[in-house]
Amino acid sequence: GAVVSQHPSRVICKSGTSVKIECRSLDFQATTMFWYRQFPKQSLMLMATSNEGSKATYEQGVEKDKFLINHASLTLSTLTVTSAHPEDSSFYICSASSWTGSTYGYTFGSGTRLTVV
Amino acid sequence: GEDVEQSLFLSVREGDSSVINCTYTDSSSTYLYWYKQEPGAGLQLLTYIFSNMDMKQDQRLTVLLNKKDKHLSLRIADTQTGDSAIYFCADLTGTASKLTFGTGTRLQVTL
Repeated sequence: GAVVSQHPSRVICKSGTSVKIECRSLDFQATTMFWYRQFPKQSLMLMATSNEGSKATYEQGVEKDKFLINHASLTLSTLTVTSAHPEDSSFYICSASSWTGSTYGYTFGSGTRLTVV
Repeated sequence: GEDVEQSLFLSVREGDSSVINCTYTDSSSTYLYWYKQEPGAGLQLLTYIFSNMDMKQDQRLTVLLNKKDKHLSLRIADTQTGDSAIYFCADLTGTASKLTFGTGTRLQVTL
């Protein structure tokens, strides 16, 4: 089945530095990729939607200059948290979608736990 | 915007059936999904149902959809300790092909 690889799975960084998270669809081409943020014991909050070769669409309240998304190919999207601060510590999950012929299939990465110290 | 609500917690005994409920507000939903999330992991698709269906069964899983009441449920038969996780329903609506997730239900399976 469809597999999405996300890494790193865990990262600890110092306040003020930037962190890049990669999301790859391994055996299919993803028409769209999504980035979510999940706080402890809460649901997933959609941050942005990205289509290959075009600018990402950010959800209301998400700072596009802070969370840089690049979707350079149909199999790779990256999220860069710039000038990270402790309040950016969270669990980030990517998802890749593709049309299965009857519905959109959404495959999720295994998530990245970001801790900013 | 769309609201998708779930009860926060459900505890069942091993071997019993679990029923996790979900309500949504958008009447233009096309597909509804159930995902499972284990601690520190991503989401695993369990099953999905098209909005013109009332029921879908897949091994131990049964999905019921009441479109009139905008109510979705997931029944897990013969619940096992390995089923302990958080379960999210998700709703696909509109032309943006975005999923809206419910608040998640933590299922605890006791011996």
